[in-house]
Amino acid sequence: TQLLEQSPQFLSIQEGENLTVYCNSSSVFSSLQWYRQEPGEGPVLLVTVVTGGEVKKLKRLTFQFGDARKDSSLHITAAQPGDTGLYLCAGGGNTPLVFGKGTRLSVIA
Amino acid sequence: EPEVTQTPSHQVTQMGQEVILRCVPISNHLYFYWYRQILGQKVEFLVSFYNNEISEKSEIFDDQFSVERPDGSNFTLKIRSTKLEDSAMYFCASSLGTGGFEQYFGPGTRLTVT
Repeated sequence: TQLLEQSPQFLSIQEGENLTVYCNSSSVFSSLQWYRQEPGEGPVLLVTVVTGGEVKKLKRLTFQFGDARKDSSLHITAAQPGDTGLYLCAGGGNTPLVFGKGTRLSVIA
Repeated sequence: EPEVTQTPSHQVTQMGQEVILRCVPISNHLYFYWYRQILGQKVEFLVSFYNNEISEKSEIFDDQFSVERPDGSNFTLKIRSTKLEDSAMYFCASSLGTGGFEQYFGPGTRLTVT
């Protein structure tokens, strides 16, 4: 069974700080997707990474896929209150997505 | 921007009743999925659908569940005899393909079984 572990589970930081959250697995994934989910809503796709070592940037968010395609990280620079939410990673490929439990981020003004 | 839509947003039903959850995937997508998320837990895969048939299903997707694409736009999930433990958010998703193609999720249907 493929599992994705996300850490930390909860993170509370001040506006302007930088942070990194992690997504780890013992399994290799063909691709990894990061979503953001608000309470009572569906996951909203942020980015997909498919190549080992790949780095993608989305404004202040930087996503990296591990060389072995078993792990990924999300780095946020100068966090803002609007970044508050649940960040989910999901591994996939030719199989259905396997989700982690998420990191709940709270950015305090 | 194209998006996945789902109806209803909230469905309350009594145990043992049948429910049908509806989804309209993104129009040019070929693969369709149902996931569920029990409150406070992670998103779990139920079933994937391609070319008018189920391509993969999880252990959760037992004989009480069925899916259908009744026309060119709708994709439905039917639960024949609901149980209390079926209470969850149900998400529909669609993608152009597999193997790295992004899956786009709808806003979900909150199913409450009483």
